[in-house]
Amino acid sequence: GAVVSQHPSWVICKSGTSVKIECRSLDFQATTMFWYRQFPKQSLMLMATSNEGSKATYEQGVEKDKFLINHASLTLSTLTVTSAHPEDSSFYICSVPLRGLKGEAFFGQGTRLTVV
Amino acid sequence: AQSVTQLDSQVPVFEEAPVELRCNYSSSVSVYLFWYVQYPNQGLQLLLKYLSGSTLVKGINGFEAEFNKSQTSFHLRKPSVHISDTAEYFCAVNAGNQFYFGTGTSLTVIP
Repeated sequence: GAVVSQHPSWVICKSGTSVKIECRSLDFQATTMFWYRQFPKQSLMLMATSNEGSKATYEQGVEKDKFLINHASLTLSTLTVTSAHPEDSSFYICSVPLRGLKGEAFFGQGTRLTVV
Repeated sequence: AQSVTQLDSQVPVFEEAPVELRCNYSSSVSVYLFWYVQYPNQGLQLLLKYLSGSTLVKGINGFEAEFNKSQTSFHLRKPSVHISDTAEYFCAVNAGNQFYFGTGTSLTVIP
């Protein structure tokens, strides 16, 4: 079964509204989670690193005020796309690195966001 | 800095034929290497990984890959593809617990 659960799997929202995406680690605690964005026909690009109990670390070019990340517990990180616009339409995927297993990570199922 | 290059964006291949998906990387530190498969509107599924040891690694669904340090390559191979192998394949390196992905190769298996 899935080790990392991401919800919702798809969402359609109106321009200007906000959307929250959840990433849950089901079998283990995760002090760190990663958020990626994937545009059509492109690769995954790291957006930010979510840190439990502290502020997220954003990659260059990613607006922290637009993509709000909250990692309030060891099993849940949320990504909120605020005031969404059509150009934010994308596939968002979270991942949870595995401690003790070199470089491994589990990925969520992804969330397809469409802003109309 | 780390980077991953997948030389072929699209690879069409007939069913039961062999296939090789190419991946080259560059890194200033030691890395771990991965291949993931992505089916439409789904997340990533791990095919195989190289962490250390034998340079030939075998994964799920009959795939294998060979790590070549001198050529900084990690090409993915399968001796006989099936229709169900049609998907997007991503090569990735992990350095410092952070993944860097290639741009992906779309494998289409033709009946």
